[in-house]
Amino acid sequence: SSELTQDPAVSVALGQTVRITCQGDSLRSYYASWYQQKPGQAPLLVLYGKNNRPAGIPARFSGSSSGNAASLTITGAQAEDEADYYCNSRDNSANHNYVFGSGTKVTVL
Amino acid sequence: EVQLLESGGGVVHPGESLRLSCIDSGFFFTSYAMTWIRQAPGKGLEWVAGISESGDITYYADSVKGRFTISRDNLNNKLFLQLNSLRAEDAALYYCARHTYFDDSSAFDIWGPGTMVTVSS
Repeated sequence: SSELTQDPAVSVALGQTVRITCQGDSLRSYYASWYQQKPGQAPLLVLYGKNNRPAGIPARFSGSSSGNAASLTITGAQAEDEADYYCNSRDNSANHNYVFGSGTKVTVL
Repeated sequence: EVQLLESGGGVVHPGESLRLSCIDSGFFFTSYAMTWIRQAPGKGLEWVAGISESGDITYYADSVKGRFTISRDNLNNKLFLQLNSLRAEDAALYYCARHTYFDDSSAFDIWGPGTMVTVSS
């Protein structure tokens, strides 16, 4: 099956910008979706498709993709953005299967 | 408010079985594909299985194929996951999630709080 690689952890100063990346061959064919998970909570969809936010997700969350990589950018990070972030895409090697990245812990300083 | 709620988790021995359920409220259940995703304690997310709107097409991760079965009851707005031949590595919090298809992509846009499966000898 396909794999998606993420940096384990990143930190960002309050109000600054942070980019979280996700790499994998499947991203050449499929868009990533991004999920935010805070301790003790279920994941929350924050971004999907080319650059789409579900209702209620702040505009400081944006996405991009190029080649085998996708990125989630938080512009003007807030304290409440501290969480684990997971990317996800369709599996390139198995139709209708899906794969998650290993997750990135974002710390807001 | 759209909600999902899982149940059926518990403590079992290796080799035993469990049946997880997920009930929806607030959306047209039959209009959506559904999926199960799990998370072992302190670990990341793992996609487990998916099912089409009508229930006639199912998909499984290699790690559970042949042991787990996903199904749905569209009359009662319920999703199921039958877990057989459980192993220690199946221990996790199991989430059901709505799988929504968009013009250019798809995503898991509604999640339940999860139900915990513990496999211990």
